[in-house]
Amino acid sequence: QSALTQPRSVSGSPGQSVTISCTGTSSDVGGYKYVSWYQQHPGKAPKLMIYDVTKRPSGVPDRFSGSKSGNTASLTISGLQAEDEADYFCCSSAGRNTWVFGGGTKLTVL
Amino acid sequence: VQVLESGGGLVQPGGSLRLSCVASGFTFSSYAMTWVRQAPGKGLEWIAITYYSGSTSYNPSLKSRVTISVDTSRNQFSLKVKSVTAADTAVYYCAKHPGSSGSDFFDPWGQGTLVSVSS
Repeated sequence: QSALTQPRSVSGSPGQSVTISCTGTSSDVGGYKYVSWYQQHPGKAPKLMIYDVTKRPSGVPDRFSGSKSGNTASLTISGLQAEDEADYFCCSSAGRNTWVFGGGTKLTVL
Repeated sequence: VQVLESGGGLVQPGGSLRLSCVASGFTFSSYAMTWVRQAPGKGLEWIAITYYSGSTSYNPSLKSRVTISVDTSRNQFSLKVKSVTAADTAVYYCAKHPGSSGSDFFDPWGQGTLVSVSS
């Protein structure tokens, strides 16, 4: 059970869009419809942003969207805002009631 | 809906740590509870999950040293890690999982409790 692969960092200017990828295998990302994304500000607990690949919890802006193709899931943030600067982690079911996280991506808003 | 961890602190290498998580605002019988940890400056690592039925599941890399348990009468969950090393130094989070609802996510999360392993 290896960690999912995410870019270490991404950046964008306010108002732009950024996409964070999350690559796994057919045993996790590619094999299940259960990918979730979490936002974490420094010193804070993770916050759910996307679940079941594309669903958005109430209260999460519609600027956040998720998708998946094969073994790679993606989180897209459109209309970047300063408060979006944070670490983002993907998570996938890995079967047999186990889960695996990505290594995390640091988003910088320029 | 809220979850709150406790029990962190300094642990001697080779010893054991025991953490607790209290859940409020929901009925545990419909959900599951999980533990996730984050080493300083590192990513998230899933540890274990427990369902109301008592069914449990563990990260294969930690299974031999970890035990998750639940006290349903108190809506309280516990995590025990034995034979700890410096690599177990981390913030430990508990979080709620929707159980067998057909969805899959961890929400909400507690504020975390810091465990430091050092002599």
